[in-house]
Amino acid sequence: DSGVTQTPKHLITATGQRVTLRCSPRSGDLSVYWYQQSLDQGLQFLIQYYNGEERAKGNILERFSAQQFPDLHSELNLSSLELGDSALYFCASSVANAPGQGFSGANVLTFGAGSRLTVL
Amino acid sequence: GDSVTQMEGPVTLSEEACLTINCTYTATGYPSLFWYVQYPGEGLQLLLKATKADDKGSNKGFEATYRKETTSFHLEKGSVQVSDSAVYFCALFTYTGGFKTIFGAGTRLFVKA
Repeated sequence: DSGVTQTPKHLITATGQRVTLRCSPRSGDLSVYWYQQSLDQGLQFLIQYYNGEERAKGNILERFSAQQFPDLHSELNLSSLELGDSALYFCASSVANAPGQGFSGANVLTFGAGSRLTVL
Repeated sequence: GDSVTQMEGPVTLSEEACLTINCTYTATGYPSLFWYVQYPGEGLQLLLKATKADDKGSNKGFEATYRKETTSFHLEKGSVQVSDSAVYFCALFTYTGGFKTIFGAGTRLFVKA
């Protein structure tokens, strides 16, 4: 158990629907990251939050949104789902995001087990 | 921009064979370098890391040396086991121009008994 908890583990839904994936970071970690892993595109960075604030955006579609709550858990919302959104969605957490805040020069990510989304 | 390139897989080896998975990077500044491993049905986990040039990261018999002159961080193991079958990801972390961790495409390794 990595300490990063993702729910649900599996989700099957239909095109056009909306789903919410949830992530609880490892205790003490302030940063949360979302990644999408599909068979043909490897691991794609979606978005990062640090202590409730958005810090970095990657290849996240406008149909997707995320937030990090005061208790540091994060949710990734996927709407108007398409077949191509079927993938594994990983959440990762890390201790810090900036010098002077526990940053050691090597930002190690701890990953959850992932949420597998199937869109039919 | 910053990027990581690693050799395409799958790589298929017999047990006790030597392993090398190549990884090169492009980055401004001085990134930290990582290898993460993903076992079947699981999330990624850190295998080893190196934070500066000439550092050698090692874990579970795997090694990688941070080569600044060749911008490389190749993963090596002298004798692989069936239990090493997994997907291996090379990654870099940089705080130049914004904090970000960038992953390579991953290399799938199959080890046959």
